[in-house]
Amino acid sequence: QSVLAQPPSASGTPGHRVTISCSGSNSNIEHNDVYWYQQLPLAAPKLLIYKNNQRPSGVPDRVSASRSGTSASLAISGLRSEDEADYYCATWDDSLRTWVFGGGTRLTVL
Amino acid sequence: QVHLQESGPGLVKPSQTLSLTCIVSGDSMSNGDYSWNWIRQHPGKVLEWIGYIYASGSSYYNPSLKDRLTMSADTSKNQFSLKVRSVTAADTAVYYCARNNSYGMDVWGQGTTVAVSS
Repeated sequence: QSVLAQPPSASGTPGHRVTISCSGSNSNIEHNDVYWYQQLPLAAPKLLIYKNNQRPSGVPDRVSASRSGTSASLAISGLRSEDEADYYCATWDDSLRTWVFGGGTRLTVL
Repeated sequence: QVHLQESGPGLVKPSQTLSLTCIVSGDSMSNGDYSWNWIRQHPGKVLEWIGYIYASGSSYYNPSLKDRLTMSADTSKNQFSLKVRSVTAADTAVYYCARNNSYGMDVWGQGTTVAVSS
């Protein structure tokens, strides 16, 4: 059972928008920055979002994220087949004193 | 551009010590305020953060694992290492090294698969 709860799956059709939620607590998301990682099949995770809503260079602006209270969310608009991947949220947990990851959400583009 | 490459034994027997190395190329690991991290991904895709080390040698381990871990950094070889003692089947995973600062874990190695089996 992951400290950060994500839906195991999400799906959308090409061109549409999908959101992925990440639910935590007052020992993690509420007081610490959230990061999002994309893991394509057979690849290492890749940083997608840092500090709640910032995109690294090279990540398209159709990817966005937000944090509110003890939850965070990732949104991808203009879905493309290459967006099919696993998506993970991550943050620091003050109680566990460790980085924690969500269980991951597998995004399928129908 | 910084590149990370893990190396490891592939297969380790239960109760033995697992040793992994991550080679940093493209820049000195002493440049910048980065921590050098180990993360593993268990079968079934759960990600677990193991710990980090700075080029200075300062380290911090996941409290749930710390009694079995040792990390070291060798700046002369531009690499850092992880040792996990007394391994069990629960240590079977893909092990990644990654660079981290407040802007996230922005560089990852490709990962190395470790199986614990007799």
